[in-house]
Amino acid sequence: GNSVTQMEGPVTLSEEAFLTINCTYTATGYPSLFWYVQYPGEGLQLLLKATKADDKGSNKGFEATYRKETTSFHLEKGSVQVSDSAVYFCALSDGQGGSEKLVFGKGTKLTVNP
Amino acid sequence: DAMVIQNPRYQVTQFGKPVTLSCSQTLNHNVMYWYQQKSSQAPKLLFHYYDKDFNNEADTPDNFQSRRPNTSFCFLDIRSPGLGDAAMYLCATGQGQETQYFGPGTRLLVL
Repeated sequence: GNSVTQMEGPVTLSEEAFLTINCTYTATGYPSLFWYVQYPGEGLQLLLKATKADDKGSNKGFEATYRKETTSFHLEKGSVQVSDSAVYFCALSDGQGGSEKLVFGKGTKLTVNP
Repeated sequence: DAMVIQNPRYQVTQFGKPVTLSCSQTLNHNVMYWYQQKSSQAPKLLFHYYDKDFNNEADTPDNFQSRRPNTSFCFLDIRSPGLGDAAMYLCATGQGQETQYFGPGTRLLVL
């Protein structure tokens, strides 16, 4: 079945450092890919998405490119802030019968220190 | 302008005592999802409604039930909560195969 493998955490960075969180996937067909962020004690918020190969999703300085040849969707940010501290989930859609079923990676906890 | 609302945010129940969690939406989406998220784990889909059609995941225990009386509301019923059911329960909505929007979650504690 479909699956998502995400870089194990936790990741600790200093403010203004460069961030990469790796994500690879296994899927039949052509899923959409997502990054969700979860701040402490809260639900998930969509950070960015890409729906087809070579698409780049971007939001709040974060970027990820849908790479079909390497089945990857790595998350990057050039300069992290303390407020970016959260858990990041990579996910793919497994749409069946008109509804979208998300398959999540295990999550990567990011801590950014001042 | 909250879009997906979950009540309560925190719920304490006793072992074996039925509990109901609530989710409502202002997005008029046709799909509503319930996920269970245990500590430091990824959300796990329990079931979803596509309009009035209920779709259960194969490995969701019978102890978990759901109701969707109208487009805006969806409930998660846990008939006999066990200690292992303590988790964050996340509701999400979507329109067909569009992006899912999540509520803030209800954290359930079982004593």
